[in-house]
Amino acid sequence: EVQLVESGGGLVQPGGSLRLSCAASGFTFSSYSMNWVRQAPGKGLEWVSYISSSSSTIYYADSVKGRFTISRDNAKNSLYLQMNSLRDEDTAVYYCAREAGTPLAGDYWGQGTLVTVSS
Amino acid sequence: QSALTQPPSASGSPGQSVTISCTGTSSDVGGYNYVSWYQQHPGKAPKLMIYEVSKRPSGVPDRFSGSKSGNTASLTVSGLQAEDEADYYCSSYAGSNNFRGVFGGGTKLTVL
Repeated sequence: EVQLVESGGGLVQPGGSLRLSCAASGFTFSSYSMNWVRQAPGKGLEWVSYISSSSSTIYYADSVKGRFTISRDNAKNSLYLQMNSLRDEDTAVYYCAREAGTPLAGDYWGQGTLVTVSS
Repeated sequence: QSALTQPPSASGSPGQSVTISCTGTSSDVGGYNYVSWYQQHPGKAPKLMIYEVSKRPSGVPDRFSGSKSGNTASLTVSGLQAEDEADYYCSSYAGSNNFRGVFGGGTKLTVL
């Protein structure tokens, strides 16, 4: 069974840092591109970052470029999102999603982890 | 990186059909056949319903169908059922210029 489990969310002050993790199981993690997608409370989905299966290609939304870093460890079946210089507007549930061989088509999603940026 | 445009709400009675639109530009929806649709129930993760404009993942009922004309994609739900009440989001690939894609603002589907 394919599973994606996010962790690392929590309450952080503006300007602080947080590292999210996404543990994958039930499939060959190293064969799939992955995305981070977030959803602010009561709002819609927002694509955040993409990483190819080999980490050779990485993209970021303009809203997080220069502050967030996506990475993966295929040996540990894990995806990461290092978030620095956090702002109030980064408050959201963060989901990791497996890309189903088609750009931005996430066929499996984690349950999400809540990041709250507040003083 | 502008969001795709969806109507905020849609509704229909059980058994009826409803269509949700998703309007973008020639740089995203109109430029690629990589439009996806997601269903999201409250407190749950999104679920992929349609990919590559009109393909259904295994397990998705054939009551759900997708199409595209120019810069506008559409999701049609036929034979509405109570469990179809949810938020629906479209997404589109937008080229590889340091950017993966964009989502729509979402449509709340109400089954009357």
